[in-house]
Amino acid sequence: ELKVEQNPLFLSMQEGKNYTIYCNYSTTSDRLYWYRQDPGKSLESLFVLLSNGAVKQEGRLMASLDTKARLSTLHITAAVHDLSATYFCAGTMDSNYQLIWGAGTKLIIKP
Amino acid sequence: GAVVSQHPSRVICKSGTSVKIECRSLDFQATTMFWYRQFPKKSLMLMATSNEGSKATYEQGVEKDKFLINHASLTLSTLTVTSAHPEDSSFYICSARDFRLADSGELFFGEGSRLTVL
Repeated sequence: ELKVEQNPLFLSMQEGKNYTIYCNYSTTSDRLYWYRQDPGKSLESLFVLLSNGAVKQEGRLMASLDTKARLSTLHITAAVHDLSATYFCAGTMDSNYQLIWGAGTKLIIKP
Repeated sequence: GAVVSQHPSRVICKSGTSVKIECRSLDFQATTMFWYRQFPKKSLMLMATSNEGSKATYEQGVEKDKFLINHASLTLSTLTVTSAHPEDSSFYICSARDFRLADSGELFFGEGSRLTVL
């Protein structure tokens, strides 16, 4: 059974700083996903990581996948207030691609 | 990315009434849609997998008669909360995959529906 753990669950940081959110998973995951959720809103797809060593970047966000370590990271560079949100990672291990979700990381970026 | 539209975004109803939530894939066909429930400050809980033209597959602990799912076409799935009670109040989110992006398995989400049962 696949389990997905995120840490930290809560992160408060200053604008301009760098930080990383970690997503560990318990067994083989075919794919790893990162989503963003703003308060009261639905989820927005950020990244889909399909293979070991995959790295994707969009603006100040960069996601990577290490399948050997069963670890994905979401790195935030020079954070800005607009990146404040809850970030979820999710894995999948079946052909139906049912997603197994992490608990989410609430990120607050202070001006 | 693909667009999934969910309606209504907010609904307030009296206890004992039924509420229908619609989920539409606007620019693609979705043979499978997923219904999630999210409690405040919590992660997503998969309720059921909706399959076009067949019965939905419910997760353990989700009452089939309480949460009726109909996936009558390739672009529409509905979730009906029957005889709603205050404990059914929650944020319900649907999602779907664009089969053209089948390899990625990426899910696209509707806007969500916030149900409040008085």
